[in-house]
Amino acid sequence: QVQLVESGGGVVQPGRSLRLSCAASGFTFTSYGIHWVRQAPGKGLEWVAVIWYDGSNKYSADSVKGRFTISRDNSKNTLYLQMNSLRAEDTAVYYCARGDKNGDAFDIWGQGTMVTVSS
Amino acid sequence: SYVLTQPPSVSVAPGKTARITCGGYNIGSRSVHWYQQKPGQAPVLVISYDSDRPSGIPERFSGSNSGNTATLTISRVGAGDEADYYCQVWDNSSDHRVFGGGTKLTVL
Repeated sequence: QVQLVESGGGVVQPGRSLRLSCAASGFTFTSYGIHWVRQAPGKGLEWVAVIWYDGSNKYSADSVKGRFTISRDNSKNTLYLQMNSLRAEDTAVYYCARGDKNGDAFDIWGQGTMVTVSS
Repeated sequence: SYVLTQPPSVSVAPGKTARITCGGYNIGSRSVHWYQQKPGQAPVLVISYDSDRPSGIPERFSGSNSGNTATLTISRVGAGDEADYYCQVWDNSSDHRVFGGGTKLTVL
């Protein structure tokens, strides 16, 4: 079935780095843009970044620009989020989500992976 | 950047109709999408492109969008509809996506 599975979360100290992965299955990965969306504990959803279907374009929220990098390996059907210079306010559940055919809505979501930034 | 405003909470009696609003400047000119999120679960798309229901979403869920307000309507509300609901648009001037702050629906 169509599925996204995140991994790589954990506890990390402020200023350190972490890389999240999102494995896709059940659909043609190379046909879709994929996003990262995060949710801090008890808070709402925050869009983080998007990468186009072919990796040619990437965009990220101002809150993570210059610190987080989105990438994908289409040969492995996998999306990544490299997170550097982590801050306490980056603590959140990180979801990967598929953009629909028009790139507008998020039609498939992963189950999320928790990132805790704490000393 | 574009801002979407939702009421923090909406309460409704079982069997009645719930309406959750999403305000934004000239939001009627954009496509609005709605997500349902239950505790401990990932969000689920319940309405796309203002009023389209994805496969598997009950007909009780509907949407509209005009002027400065988009609305998610849930008819014949039941306990299973208790959740947080988020609206979302694409700010295509920056290729950023924007979420509303979310609305907690409580079934009395």
